[in-house]
Order: sequence, then structure tokens, then C-alpha cells
Amino acid sequence: QQPVQSPQAVILREGEDAVINCSSSKALYSVHWYRQKHGEAPVFLMILLKGGEQKGHDKISASFNEKKQQSSLYLTASQLSYSGTYFCGTEYSGGYQKVTFGTGTKLQVIP
Amino acid sequence: EAQVTQNPRYLITVTGKKLTVTCSQNMNHEYMSWYRQDPGLGLRQIYYSMNVEVTDKGDVPEGYKVSRKEKRNFPLILESPSPNQTSLYFCASSPLLKSNEQFFGPGTRLTVL
Repeated sequence: QQPVQSPQAVILREGEDAVINCSSSKALYSVHWYRQKHGEAPVFLMILLKGGEQKGHDKISASFNEKKQQSSLYLTASQLSYSGTYFCGTEYSGGYQKVTFGTGTKLQVIP
Repeated sequence: EAQVTQNPRYLITVTGKKLTVTCSQNMNHEYMSWYRQDPGLGLRQIYYSMNVEVTDKGDVPEGYKVSRKEKRNFPLILESPSPNQTSLYFCASSPLLKSNEQFFGPGTRLTVL
């Protein structure tokens, strides 16, 4: 079952912040975040493991709420280069190595 | 350079004509996977492999076959393609450890007429 991402699309001006959410109905072991620019392959951003660890990647960070089975990706002071589609991928507790991706959030940063 | 390669990058074919999309990685990864990407549906897993001669179905395996005879290669076979298999296909690989980064190939855009 695919995780649910929200919003489906967002437009930001340079310098603004955004939050992308990813939620699952099943117990999660980890959450993966990828960004895909138009016409390119998805590129890894970060992985969050069970334990509520918050990780960062430059001005992009993420959190993982085990109780709610949710993860959020935070983009602060957005840059034009942040534009793309963001996918979360979920691994479920007790499962083998299998990542199920959400339907994506399209982010556009404008000057 | 560490990479995942796919061939062909673009393919237009007709219904029923067997085709193979190749995938190769040079990182000695055990785990390889095929995804299809369709508008509004995200990335959906077709098949995956945890090592040579070990393959299993993903979420949308119907109409596809795979094989893993060598560690570096994981071809995707469409024995009788249909128009609903028109899609963007990605191959990915990673080490066989839970919760690892997947490295994606550049994608293959397939059109079945």
C-alpha cells in the first residue's frame, strides 16, 4: 500500500519555506526521501529510521513520528534548485527490504 | 564512476513484439529493482532481486519477467507488450542491507502502440 503524500503540488517563491508530509497506515521501519528533477532519475536525499530521528541535508531536513506513522520533509529558505518532485518511500516493520513509494509532491520554486 | 545504466533510453514498439530493457550496475550491489513511473501514480515496483538467481514480484508484476544470472545485470522482459505498459521505467540498485540508499538508472521511456 502506497504511503500518502501531501500536498500534491506547491509553488513557492525563493526564500520561502515548505513542508511535505508522508503518512502510512502501517507500522514503519524507515522513511526514505528522494527528489526527481524533470526528465531525470530520482536522487536520494535522506533516510530516517525508527526512533524519531531528525536528519538534515543542507537546508533540507526531515522528521519521523513513529506514533503517527508519519514523516515530514522541511525545506527552508527555498532555492530555485529545490524545484522538482519529492517522493517518500516507506519500509515496513517486519518486512524484507522493499521500499514503497508515494505518488510524489511537485514543488516549484519561482524567483 | 559508480553508476546504473539502462538501454535503450527510448523505445517505441508495437503490441505483442517482445522486448528487453537492460540494466547494469558497477557497484557490486546485491539488490536490484525495477520501477515504472506513471503520472499521478508515482514509482511502483515491478520486480526486485536480492541476489543472483533470487527474484520476487513487486506491486505490479503482471506482464513482465526478469532474470538475474549475473550480479551486475537485471534485464526486464516484456514478452507481449501492450499499450498499458507505456511508461517510464527505472532500474535501481543498492547494497543488501535494510534501509539503504537506492541508486537509480537514467530511465527508459517505452511507448507501446
